[in-house]
Amino acid sequence: KAGVTQTPRYLIKTRGQQVTLSCSPISGHRSVSWYQQTPGQGLQFLFEYFSETQRNKGNFPGRFSGRQFSNSRSEMNVSTLELGDSALYLCASSFQVTNNEQFFGPGTRLTVL
Amino acid sequence: EDKVVQSPLSLVVHEGDTVTLNCSYEVTNFRSLLWYKQEKKAPTFLFMLTSSGIEKKSGRLSSILDKKELFSILNITATQTGDSAIYLCAVRSNAGNMLTFGGGTRLMVKP
Repeated sequence: KAGVTQTPRYLIKTRGQQVTLSCSPISGHRSVSWYQQTPGQGLQFLFEYFSETQRNKGNFPGRFSGRQFSNSRSEMNVSTLELGDSALYLCASSFQVTNNEQFFGPGTRLTVL
Repeated sequence: EDKVVQSPLSLVVHEGDTVTLNCSYEVTNFRSLLWYKQEKKAPTFLFMLTSSGIEKKSGRLSSILDKKELFSILNITATQTGDSAIYLCAVRSNAGNMLTFGGGTRLMVKP
């Protein structure tokens, strides 16, 4: 079974721009969660989607948004980029929203200049 | 607010040593605790623990959960240089899959 895939793997943007990141979960998995990882704050939860509905949202500003499609693929969008948005963005998939293992993708490294 | 604390922050050992990594948590509605290994990029899933006292084992790695004292340990025996990584502990505490992560333990295994 193929693992979680994320595109692009690397991205460089400038302040004020917007960015869209994509995540394809493991086949058959319907829950997708997004995390931001920075050296200072560690891994922080952004949001979770299941069956195209946002189930949970972390403590991030409204510039961070996401969605999930009917094939379970998910996208996250960050508008009006700030320097502090530079991070590794990780996507994780689970079979369901009950107590299942979560498997992470390779991440997208976003650098904001 | 849910809180997960890992110790030590970092550890340097030699090949063949045994290490114990600690994870303590304070959460309102505990459901499960997960351990991950992170080398270069994506965290790799190791274990998920839901019940106290039941050891999970995979090769040289094992983990156990104590829900009364609110902690978990990850043991690695006969360490190898390939075990060098950051080990992350995370807790799931509500409906859904949201995980709260600890800061990680950086393990370096020297030849």
